[in-house]
Amino acid sequence: QTVVTQEPSFSVSPGGTVTLTCGLSSGSVSSSYYPSWYQQAPGQPPRTLIYSTNARSSGVPDRFSGSILGNKAALTITGAQADDESNYYCVLYMGSGTWVFGGGTRLTVL
Amino acid sequence: QLQLQESGPGLVKPSETLSLTCTVSGGSISSSIYYWGWIRQPPGEGLEYIGNIYYNGGTYYNPSLKSRVTIFVDTSKNQFSVKLGSVTAADTAVYYCARIYYYGSGSYLWYFDLWGRGTLVTVSS
Repeated sequence: QTVVTQEPSFSVSPGGTVTLTCGLSSGSVSSSYYPSWYQQAPGQPPRTLIYSTNARSSGVPDRFSGSILGNKAALTITGAQADDESNYYCVLYMGSGTWVFGGGTRLTVL
Repeated sequence: QLQLQESGPGLVKPSETLSLTCTVSGGSISSSIYYWGWIRQPPGEGLEYIGNIYYNGGTYYNPSLKSRVTIFVDTSKNQFSVKLGSVTAADTAVYYCARIYYYGSGSYLWYFDLWGRGTLVTVSS
């Protein structure tokens, strides 16, 4: 069973920079997993932020960026704002029409 | 602007079958560049992929749910649906439908680009 790993929680100061990561329990994440990132505020559906490793979804500010760092996918938020406080999920495409979600990272801005 | 809307019973008894429908408005479900998926989220927990369907009826399921899940499409109504059998309390969750953008601008993309607002289904007697 493939497990996608994310930090359970992270905190960042307003205006600061934070990098959240997305790894695999076995192996390395590469662009061939088409990593995507989603932001979810409490009681709301997910909002698509990043797809295909580093492409921003329509309307997403450029302070959100995606990349591969070492053997993980990464989401970097530059100049964090109060309303960035949310849960962030990465998803990896496993092929054969299946995806696996990471457990999510709860980001606190304080 | 394409929108997705989930509908179905909010309460299902244990051992029965959960059935939900996603209605696609503002666009056609028969587009060749999209799949249509279901994802769920137990209260206070993370997201779990359930499965997806193509407009021609081809399906893919999460292996952990495959024995209990069926997804089907009705292109005449611009809807797709999920059935999950033999439910237990562990199936209590918010169920989301989503559009999967799999190919665009000459490249594979494979991501969830649009989401419904979700519907809470509680499994309880």
